[in-house]
Amino acid sequence: GENVEQHPSTLSVQEGDSAVIKCTYSDSASNYFPWYKQELGKGPQLIIDIRSNVGEKKDQRIAVTLNKTAKHFSLHITETQPEDSAVYFCAASKGTGTASKLTFGTGTRLQVTL
Amino acid sequence: ETGVTQSPTHLIKTRGQQVTLRCSSQSGHNTVSWYQQALGQGPQFIFQYYREEENGRGNFPPRFSGLQFPNYSSELNVNALELDDSALYLCASSVGGGETDTQYFGPGTRLTVL
Repeated sequence: GENVEQHPSTLSVQEGDSAVIKCTYSDSASNYFPWYKQELGKGPQLIIDIRSNVGEKKDQRIAVTLNKTAKHFSLHITETQPEDSAVYFCAASKGTGTASKLTFGTGTRLQVTL
Repeated sequence: ETGVTQSPTHLIKTRGQQVTLRCSSQSGHNTVSWYQQALGQGPQFIFQYYREEENGRGNFPPRFSGLQFPNYSSELNVNALELDDSALYLCASSVGGGETDTQYFGPGTRLTVL
């Protein structure tokens, strides 16, 4: 089955700096890659996603890049703010129907310091 | 907020007991997926229900079972509880059967097994 690895496990940046989180996946059939932010005591919140027919997607301060050949994708957060502090999870799936289960990475705890 | 609700928010049970967790999907969604998230880990896929039928299952024993109702709400039942079942149980709803299968998570139910 699919295996998703995520690095780093913890990341500390100063407010205003950029943060980058990287994930690799094993199943070349995976074609959907969402990123979730999870705050303490809450469920994961979708922040951005990308499909395999796109190499990059941006939404304000957040961007995701996908390299299908290398089977890795990355989350980039620019101009970090204290409210960006949370645990971030990458995930992969094969898309729709019975294959749409998400396989998650192990998470990255991002701390934005003042 | 995603519009996905779960109940109860917290639950304490003892080994060997049975538990039922509930999830109401977001309006317009016909698919519910259940995940188990152990402390410090990423969510693990349990199973998915699409139009009241089980539509895929992860590596969980048969004592984990579920239902989906005509209004697309869902239940997760766990029999013969074990200490390792202590976790945050998440449900996610989506519009199944099409190209877009983005999953939106509820806040979760924290289960503690003593």
